[in-house]
Parts: sequence; structure tokens; C-alpha cells
Amino acid sequence: AQSVTQPDIHITVSEGASLELRCNYSYGATPYLFWYVQSPGQGLQLLLKYFSGDTLVQGIKGFEAEFKRSQSSFNLRKPSVHWSDAAEYFCALNFGNEKLTFGTGTRLTIIP
Amino acid sequence: EAGVAQSPRYKIIEKRQSVAFWCNPISGHATLYWYQQILGQGPKLLIQFQNNGVVDDSQLPKDRFSAERLKGVDSTLKIQPAKLEDSAVYLCASSLGLDIQYFGAGTRLSVL
Repeated sequence: AQSVTQPDIHITVSEGASLELRCNYSYGATPYLFWYVQSPGQGLQLLLKYFSGDTLVQGIKGFEAEFKRSQSSFNLRKPSVHWSDAAEYFCALNFGNEKLTFGTGTRLTIIP
Repeated sequence: EAGVAQSPRYKIIEKRQSVAFWCNPISGHATLYWYQQILGQGPKLLIQFQNNGVVDDSQLPKDRFSAERLKGVDSTLKIQPAKLEDSAVYLCASSLGLDIQYFGAGTRLSVL
């Protein structure tokens, strides 16, 4: 069965520092991959998606993600975080059937 | 363009009571989803509608949960009777296809 793993439950980063959030998946083929962000009391907002093609994907708010087939990974990165990036981040995947499977999320805290 | 609307935002009930949540998807979106998000976990799909038909309800606890989308637009999710373990955020999402789902802000349910 397909699954998504986000190994880091909680990450703390200084404002202005770089960020990388990890995501690994388990499936025999290449799925469609997504990163969503959830601010407190809010729904999920799509940051970026990967369907095929260029393995480096640009998203909103200065985020990017890189798909690495050999590592079954889709890590999210940002070169310089802002205090407003503090939120919960979810990696998700599907297999073209519109059913999303989510990871357990990574909570990001930003310190001054 | 208006987003996915959900109401109420918060609900507190006692166990064994019933509760209903409402969702109005983005105009023109044929597919509607209900997710349950327990604290500290990623969202889990409960039910998926395509227009007014159910595509997948395999994860819906049908002994107590029900959902309908009678006119293929807005939808209602009901729990009757509620249990303590139903405390969660209930998220509604909609999509046009293209595997991108747009989420509402959710309803936070507390069962006492």
C-alpha cells in the first residue's frame, strides 16, 4: 500500500535561515506529489505540485521542492524563512485517481 | 473566486449527541471530499463525491457517519451518535480534476 513519511515532527529554524522539510513515499510507480501548508485555524493551502517533467518544482511564497526518484523523496526547501512561514506542512501524494494520502505533517517554528 | 465554504467553524457537543457540518465547494467543481484530521495527524479521506454520486466511502464509519450531496453542489456530513474519538477537524475540499484539491478552513469538533 502507498504511504507518505515525514520523518520530522517539529523543526525550529531561525528567521532568515534556510529550510528543508523531508518527505519520503512508498509506492511502485511515480505518484503525483504535493506540498500543502496549514496555518493555525486555517485550511490547507497548496504550495506546489509535481506531476512529471522537471524534477525541481517552484511554488508559491518562495518555496521549491525536488523530486528524487532514486530516493523516493520530495523534499521542500526555502532559502530564507520568514516569521510568517511558521505553520504545519504536509506532504501528500496520489496516483492519478484524485485520492490524496497525507503524511503526518511537520510543524515549523521560526525563532528571531 | 470564492473558496470552499464550511460551517460552523467550531462545534462543541457531548458524546452520543448528533452534529452536522456543511460545505459549499468552489463553483463548478464536480468533485467534493470530506476529510477527518485528528490532532497531530494528516487529513484522512472519509468520502469522495463526483457530482451527487459517491466515488469512495471506504473509510467512512457508516454506523455513525453519513454524508450527502443531493444536488451535486453543497454537501452535509453528519455524525450520530458522536463518540469522544470523533473530536477532530473536519475538512471539506473540492476539485475540477487535475488532481489539485482546494480546502476549506474546516470545522473543529470537540466531543465532551
